Amino acid sequence: AQTVTQSQPEMSVQEAETVTLSCTYDTSESDYYLFWYKQPPSRQMILVIRQEAYKQQNATENRFSVNFQKAAKSFSLKISDSQLGDAAMYFCAYRSAYGGSQGNLIFGKGTKLSVKP
Amino acid sequence: DTEVTQTPKHLVMGMTNKKSLKCEQHMGHRAMYWYKQKAKKPPELMFVYSYEKLSINESVPSRFSPECPNSSLLNLHLHALQPEDSALYLCASSQDSAGEDQETQYFGPGTRLLVL
Repeated sequence: AQTVTQSQPEMSVQEAETVTLSCTYDTSESDYYLFWYKQPPSRQMILVIRQEAYKQQNATENRFSVNFQKAAKSFSLKISDSQLGDAAMYFCAYRSAYGGSQGNLIFGKGTKLSVKP
Repeated sequence: DTEVTQTPKHLVMGMTNKKSLKCEQHMGHRAMYWYKQKAKKPPELMFVYSYEKLSINESVPSRFSPECPNSSLLNLHLHALQPEDSALYLCASSQDSAGEDQETQYFGPGTRLLVL
């Protein structure tokens, strides 16, 4: 069974600085997808970024980028120029590329990010 | 447009009440999901509908009854709930057919449920 581990329950960053959130996963599959979701206090789960395992190039979305290390099974999220609105719970998630129940999202426990003005 | 809507936003119900949660998406997605989320925890999968058929039931108690009237709608009927069922209930959808981004799940804003 696949697992996702976020080893940092809480992180803090100064506004305008850069922060990296860690995520590791365990799988025996070769084809899968990885996601970072953001959940602010409003509680809506918002997709931040996604990565296909077969792509070696790291995904980027504006100030958000990932460092995907497939061999090390690591998928960290870097937030540049942090803004107050980035404060939220961040969940790392894994999804198998295969259908059925194997294709469901497996979440890490989350990292709560605080942004200091 | 990646919008999933959920109603109501908040719901308070007694243990003898019957209520329903509603989820809607107009993205043409063929898979829809119900999750339960407790405070400071990740979402837990409850049900998956694929092409309007229930494909996964994660051993959810029968007091939760899902329904998929059509490809855009997903309901969750609630009956005789317990206080421990109080949580945020999230709906999500994904394309789940050939094409780019088929596997990404998009979430609604959730319904915050309190059972008294």
